[in-house]
Amino acid sequence: DIVMTQSPDSLAVSLGERATINCKSSQSVFYSSNNKNYLAWYQQKPGQPPKLLIYWASTRESGVPDRFSGSGSGTDFNLTISSVQAEDVAVYYCHQYHSIPWTFGQGTKVEIK
Amino acid sequence: QVQLQESGPGLVKPSETLSLTCTVSGVSISNNYWTWIRQPPGKGLEWIGYISYSGSTNYNPSLKSRVTLSLDTSKNQFSLKLNSVTAADTAVYYCAKNEGFIDYWGQGTPVTVSS
Repeated sequence: DIVMTQSPDSLAVSLGERATINCKSSQSVFYSSNNKNYLAWYQQKPGQPPKLLIYWASTRESGVPDRFSGSGSGTDFNLTISSVQAEDVAVYYCHQYHSIPWTFGQGTKVEIK
Repeated sequence: QVQLQESGPGLVKPSETLSLTCTVSGVSISNNYWTWIRQPPGKGLEWIGYISYSGSTNYNPSLKSRVTLSLDTSKNQFSLKLNSVTAADTAVYYCAKNEGFIDYWGQGTPVTVSS
């Protein structure tokens, strides 16, 4: 199984500041045949299902604010919130869909300082 | 727009079978891939498996011996059966549409395994 490890486990950020979450995979999630990284990011607020933010490591889902961005390739990825807003308080998960079984990171909780 | 809704018993006895159905609206299940994911209380996400529009399946090896996914195209529904459940199967169960990444999620249904 590909193990996804996120850091940090939790993050307290002031409103308007930048937040960066890292996700490392135990094996590459890149396919050279189509030049894509099979990596997605989700946001989960309490009592709600996860919401897709980013797929193919850096493609923002329609309707997601442009303060959310994804970067990285191979085994090392980042989700960045350029200017954290109060509504961004949530747990964020990375997800690899490169290999079966699909696996998720343990989650990173973002709070306001 | 695409909507998914899980339904089924919220309480299952140990050793019995957990059965859930996902009703899809806004898109035909005959054209996409469909997934089940679960989240134990206070914990992270675990992928259970997916079923394609043609009925082919892929399961998490950790659950493969106990899981069956199926489609009912006449009702635009897909289903999960998990047999021989234990307390470790207590979780919120989500049905979802996937393109690899998961683009639409149901609201989730909590299932408790207890006698």
